[in-house]
Amino acid sequence: KAGVTQTPRYLIKTRGQQVTLSCSPISGHRSVSWYQQTPGQGLQFLFEYFSETQRNKGNFPGRFSGRQFSNSRSEMNVSTLELGDSALYLCASSRISGYETQYFGPGTRLLVL
Amino acid sequence: AQKVTQAQTEISVVEKEDVTLDCVYETRDTTYYLFWYKQPPSGELVFLIRRNSFDEQNEISGRYSWNFQKSTSSFNFTITASQVVDSAVYFCALRGGNAGNMLTFGGGTRLMVKP
Repeated sequence: KAGVTQTPRYLIKTRGQQVTLSCSPISGHRSVSWYQQTPGQGLQFLFEYFSETQRNKGNFPGRFSGRQFSNSRSEMNVSTLELGDSALYLCASSRISGYETQYFGPGTRLLVL
Repeated sequence: AQKVTQAQTEISVVEKEDVTLDCVYETRDTTYYLFWYKQPPSGELVFLIRRNSFDEQNEISGRYSWNFQKSTSSFNFTITASQVVDSAVYFCALRGGNAGNMLTFGGGTRLMVKP
């Protein structure tokens, strides 16, 4: 079974731009969560989507948003990029929410210049 | 609030040594789940183990073993006879019983195994 896939793998943007990252979960998985990893803050939860509904949201500004499609694929968007948004963005999926193990994708490395 | 502490930021061992990675957690939930993930240089988080709060049985998987003690709120991870391929950053994580899939991660422990 194919794992979680994320596109693109690497991205370079400039301040003020916006970016959209994509995540395709493991087949049959309906929950998708997003995490930001930075050297200073570590791994932080952004949000979780389950059956196209946002179930949880972490402590991030409104510039960070996401959505989930009917095929469970998810996108996250960051508007008005700041230098501090440079990070590894990881996506994880599980069959359902709250009871099972999440499996992570390879991540998207975003560099904001 | 949930909190996970991995006091060891970096550990260096020589191949074949045993090494224990410490994890201490805080939660007010009576039901919760604990995880260990491995992050090699490629960046992907690789799942190692999940433990439910109501199951304190320790687990062994090959060279890996985990010691879960609710009395001390600890979930330690031991690698026996370490190998160079074990070099990675290891994360301990906690998920509350009502938190959906929201994981709270510790700061991670970088393990370097030298030949």
